[in-house]
Amino acid sequence: KNEVEQSPQNLTAQEGEFITINCSYSVGISALHWLQQHPGGGIVSLFMLSSGKKKHGRLIATINIQEKHSSLHITASHPRDSAVYICAPRTGAAGNKLTFGGGTRVLVKP
Amino acid sequence: NAGVMQNPRHLVRRRGQEARLRCSPMKGHSHVYWYRQLPEEGLKFMVYLQKENIIDESGMPKERFSAEFPKEGPSILRIQQVVRGDSAAYFCASSPLQGPSNEQFFGPGTRLTVL
Repeated sequence: KNEVEQSPQNLTAQEGEFITINCSYSVGISALHWLQQHPGGGIVSLFMLSSGKKKHGRLIATINIQEKHSSLHITASHPRDSAVYICAPRTGAAGNKLTFGGGTRVLVKP
Repeated sequence: NAGVMQNPRHLVRRRGQEARLRCSPMKGHSHVYWYRQLPEEGLKFMVYLQKENIIDESGMPKERFSAEFPKEGPSILRIQQVVRGDSAAYFCASSPLQGPSNEQFFGPGTRLTVL
């Protein structure tokens, strides 16, 4: 069993639809990153959260540290949201490194 | 405030050559992390450095790979005698302090191709 499981692996949505990506992990302490990677592109940190919920524009991330589960929601999805979304809990003795999920490939069609 | 800088963005090497990848952290950041993304695979942690110290190198291959973060200048990831399997995207990230409450900011990556 992978230490970080994301679901779904692939997701296709129509523009305007609400998207949810889930992340369950068996490792990590205290905090978790959600990252975005466009094809052939760099990595952008969308959120780092350690409790509750954070919102940035149309993106919402929630986390339950006790249950080791986090979700990323995209409201009113747009074709420019098409990317790979990666969940990465903080791991290591002092939470100094990231362990990554396999990513969720999102395609939003116009 | 410039973000994390990596250079070169693309690097082509022949088998047996050396590859040097550079990472300049964000201003004020003294912690650097290197990650590798093999083709069609996920990201994996390689090494975590502070200025002049390697803190955690548990993800580094035992041979041919080394990393440093000198007092002055960028962090360097060095791969000696490259092989085709080293072809990957190498990302570095930086943070101002250590610990799980400090967000890591990523550079654009260096894409290494070994011919």
